[in-house]
Amino acid sequence: QSALTQPPSVSGSPGQSVTISCTGTSSDVGSYNRVSWYHQAPGTAPKLIIYEVSNRPSGVPDRFSGSKSGNTASLTISGLQTEDEADYYCSSYSSVTTYVFGTGTKVTVL
Amino acid sequence: EVQLLESGGGLVQPGGSLRLSCAASGFSFSSSPMGWVRQAPGKGLEWVSSISGSGSNTYHADSVKGRFAISRDNAKNTLYLQMNSLRAEDTAVYYCSKMASPNYFQFWGQGALVTVSS
Repeated sequence: QSALTQPPSVSGSPGQSVTISCTGTSSDVGSYNRVSWYHQAPGTAPKLIIYEVSNRPSGVPDRFSGSKSGNTASLTISGLQTEDEADYYCSSYSSVTTYVFGTGTKVTVL
Repeated sequence: EVQLLESGGGLVQPGGSLRLSCAASGFSFSSSPMGWVRQAPGKGLEWVSSISGSGSNTYHADSVKGRFAISRDNAKNTLYLQMNSLRAEDTAVYYCSKMASPNYFQFWGQGALVTVSS
């Protein structure tokens, strides 16, 4: 598998919630709780926002949450803010390719 | 504060070689697995290579296996990526990353642009 599958884009109004899915296989997302999520603003380096499915690093707002069911992981942004407009990538450990990233999702705040 | 500073990027002809360096500070370098992730212009993230804290274990994506080599000098707190037989499709921003519990990419550098073109 070359990449985990994410929707190309999601959008929401300020204050709303949006959820980004990340679909893999039984060789990666489905077998390991090693899913992480990254936020990338235009022209900047990625930043870790969720690790090991649902854990937030220090300093990441609690409006970001992660979960997993079967081969699909999800990132939910609650109370959407204008500064949340960015690209988001999931990643997982893989027994086939060692590490694999998602295709990326652009979040637009309307 | 964790700091990762990449250097060594630039323009190289197809078939050429380049070595990227990543100077690390603000954490116990020799205890931390490290990795390289790249991003082609307008594209998504792609894992390239990872290395254990001691340097004894290395891992490479199939797309670079046999052409790229990751290494580290723990005395100098520096990570390297030797890139040989470069192709146009290797053109990307290469990010150095401190990894955690070799599961995820905890901190990222600002990136180094590598352009492969004649």
